[in-house]
Amino acid sequence: GAVVSQHPSRVICKSGTSVKIECRSLDFQATTMFWYRQFPKQSLMLMATSNEGSKATYEQGVEKDKFLINHASLTLSTLTVTSAHPEDSSFYICSARLTVMNTEAFFGQGTRLTVV
Amino acid sequence: GQSLEQPSEVTAVEGAIVQINCTYQTSGFYGLSWYQQHDGGAPTFLSYNALDGLEETGRFSSFLSRSDSYGYLLLQELQMKDSASYFCAVRNTGGFKTIFGAGTRLFVKA
Repeated sequence: GAVVSQHPSRVICKSGTSVKIECRSLDFQATTMFWYRQFPKQSLMLMATSNEGSKATYEQGVEKDKFLINHASLTLSTLTVTSAHPEDSSFYICSARLTVMNTEAFFGQGTRLTVV
Repeated sequence: GQSLEQPSEVTAVEGAIVQINCTYQTSGFYGLSWYQQHDGGAPTFLSYNALDGLEETGRFSSFLSRSDSYGYLLLQELQMKDSASYFCAVRNTGGFKTIFGAGTRLFVKA
């Protein structure tokens, strides 16, 4: 299957700082990537859809100024958590599909963010 | 809007068969998927149903009834490594975004 690589896998940062998470499609081009957030033992909540070369589409209730998404190339999307607070601590996961119509979504390894 | 309901936990013994149900409500429907996620890991794709009926992939099968807005994942010959969370997911009209259910934690006991 296709490979999606996410980095870093774990990060600890201080309150008020910003953290950037990278999501790369290694063996295919992804015009669209998806960012999810997952709390312990809970579901994956879609945060936003990242579109190459254009603005991301955010889900209702997700602060676009808080979670900055950049999709500058066909293989890379980044999520920056700005001015992080302890409540932003979570597991962030990206995903992509080979094509928009493809049924299977491939996920990155996830990033465990802890804000202290 | 969209919502999916599935049991929060299921426990079964090695070698047994377990069925995880999922009911959904969507403003549009483009197929039901199932994903497996081990603790601390990323979800991995298991199966997809766009049409009514049963899809079989090895020890895992998935069923869909669109008229009942219902599907299930069937795991046979359970193994300890099958202990994980299982999510049903739907794609919205146009099939673009994937929305996940709350997940079912499966515990397989010896």
